[in-house]
Amino acid sequence: DAGITQSPRYKITETGRQVTLMCHQTWSHSYMFWYRQDLGHGLRLIYYSAAADITDKGEVPDGYVVSRSKTENFPLTLESATRSQTSVYFCASSSRGGNTEAFFGQGTRLTVV
Amino acid sequence: RKEVEQDPGPFNVPEGATVAFNCTYSNSASQSFFWYRQDCRKEPKLLMSVYSSGNEDGRFTAQLNRASQYISLLIRDSKLSDSATYLCVVKRNTPLVFGKGTRLSVIA
Repeated sequence: DAGITQSPRYKITETGRQVTLMCHQTWSHSYMFWYRQDLGHGLRLIYYSAAADITDKGEVPDGYVVSRSKTENFPLTLESATRSQTSVYFCASSSRGGNTEAFFGQGTRLTVV
Repeated sequence: RKEVEQDPGPFNVPEGATVAFNCTYSNSASQSFFWYRQDCRKEPKLLMSVYSSGNEDGRFTAQLNRASQYISLLIRDSKLSDSATYLCVVKRNTPLVFGKGTRLSVIA
């Protein structure tokens, strides 16, 4: 199916482990984004990418790494997971930086124990 | 001060009521404005863009006041299916900046 998909949908991991959340879009959108959503904070931008091999930090980048070797994929890696990274993670994409809609994946619910 | 501020609610209204949500943004360089809707445990989806002249989409009306840095959303004739969290969103350069959302519950 066309669209933007995230995997896994649910993940439980232990403190200190490395975790990678996957995001794949089939529209060839230039821009891709990672947000996390927590009660009391709303959606906060972690990293974004304007094109393959171009990434930029958002509001809360510490503890996360991203890469974009292909336009359609934008994985997010937690290098050493902490309990404070327990959250719902949303990936999004948009066709360009202008007044265009951003489409979101269904989210990954990550719990760090 | 947060870049985008909204009243978190909840707003509990009966079916058929008119309800209005307000949002303020702090950065005058913000370029584009949106309302997104998010259902419980789902991803946000675009409800409507907000234009300077104001715009309407069925029962929904959005207004923008750049001088006051203020955005509003009016929902007329509320339906049970309108129950959701409404996110005020502004765009400055590329990424979208989200407010924390206003929760609406429409009651039968």
